[in-house]
Amino acid sequence: QSALTQPASVSGSPGQSITISCTGTSSDVGGYNYVSWYQQHPGKAPKLMIYDVSNRPSGVSNRFSGSKSGNTASLTISGLQAEDEADYYCSSYTSSSTQVFGGGTKLTVL
Amino acid sequence: EVQLVQSGAEVKKPGESLRISCKGSGYSFTSYWISWVRQMPGKGLEWMGRIDPSDSYTNYSPSFQGHVTISADKSISTAYLQWSSLKASDTAMYYCARRSIAAAGGPYFDYWGQGTLVTVSS
Repeated sequence: QSALTQPASVSGSPGQSITISCTGTSSDVGGYNYVSWYQQHPGKAPKLMIYDVSNRPSGVSNRFSGSKSGNTASLTISGLQAEDEADYYCSSYTSSSTQVFGGGTKLTVL
Repeated sequence: EVQLVQSGAEVKKPGESLRISCKGSGYSFTSYWISWVRQMPGKGLEWMGRIDPSDSYTNYSPSFQGHVTISADKSISTAYLQWSSLKASDTAMYYCARRSIAAAGGPYFDYWGQGTLVTVSS
């Protein structure tokens, strides 16, 4: 099972919007609406930000949104804030009844 | 309050065995699967496998099948990850995570342990 493909890094200025892509195959991202996104600050455990492609858990800012088209899912963060600087990982359920993560994207807030 | 509390950091030599733990509290432990996730130094997250604590059914990533064993003791709400013979390449942070499923939805990890750092060095 290969890792999902994410850009290694993205950056944006405070107040701007950024989008992180997550590309898989028809056996994972494209086959199910079961993509989730996680935020990880240095030295901390990951935190759930989006589940089932576009649903936000209670307590997560509505500046975070998710979408999917074909084999590619996306996480958009609007109104960038300094506290958003972190690593972001996508994850998908697979046809083998396993989970797979993306390689991670480092977000830098300029 | 839902919590997953992991055992402390370990320093081991190559060839040694090890078992780390993840204790759940604040919820019905047998109602949610537990997954283990590896993060090697400076690298990304890797899903290793999962266990259903209600019946101890396990499912592993092909990358980890045969290299680790996941188990659980539902009487004490604790899941385990163990190695029979550690290698230097097992050096990593290991997280446990609770797997939830939304109504008519798919699996995701809503609660995570604080991580257990395993260092394997001669």
